[in-house]
Amino acid sequence: AQSVSQHNHHVILSEAASLELGCNYSYGGTVNLFWYVQYPGQHLQLLLKYFSGDPLVKGIKGFEAEFIKSKFSFNLRKPSVQWSDTAEYFCAVVRGTDSWGKLQFGAGTQVVVTP
Amino acid sequence: EAGVVQSPRYKIIEKKQPVAFWCNPISGHNTLYWYRQNLGQGPELLIRYENEEAVDDSQLPKDRFSAERLKGVDSTLKIQPAELGDSAVYLCASSLAIGGGSYNEQFFGPGTRLTVL
Repeated sequence: AQSVSQHNHHVILSEAASLELGCNYSYGGTVNLFWYVQYPGQHLQLLLKYFSGDPLVKGIKGFEAEFIKSKFSFNLRKPSVQWSDTAEYFCAVVRGTDSWGKLQFGAGTQVVVTP
Repeated sequence: EAGVVQSPRYKIIEKKQPVAFWCNPISGHNTLYWYRQNLGQGPELLIRYENEEAVDDSQLPKDRFSAERLKGVDSTLKIQPAELGDSAVYLCASSLAIGGGSYNEQFFGPGTRLTVL
């Protein structure tokens, strides 16, 4: 069965620090990859996505993610975080053969940015 | 445009009671999803509708859960009777399915937080 693993459940860091959240998936075929974010009190929203092409994708709010096929990874990064980046971050995968979008989510990483 | 609307936002019930959640998707979106998110986990798909047809309900516990999407717009998810383990956030999402092998972005609602006592 396909699974999605996020390495850290909780991350605490200071403003201006760099952030990297790990994500690995187990499916061997073609995949579409996503990072979703849920800010406190808000709904899940798409941060960025990878379908094909350049493995380094840029999303909203200065976030980027790199797809490394050989490592089955799709890590999220931001060079300098702000207090407003405090949120829960979810990695998700859709198999490339599933055009209707059955998202498989990781368990999420709670990120707290301190002033 | 208006997002996905869910109600109620919170619900507290005693075990063995029935409960229902309502979802209104984004206007024009033909695909609707119900997810369950347990504490400390990511959302898990319960059922997916394409218009009014349930096309993927393999994860729906059919002995106590039911769902409907009459007229292919609003949807209701019901639990009867509820158990302690059903405490979770129930999320609804919708998308405009274009098909042809392309992923269709899902837009999520705020969820209903269910507590079963």
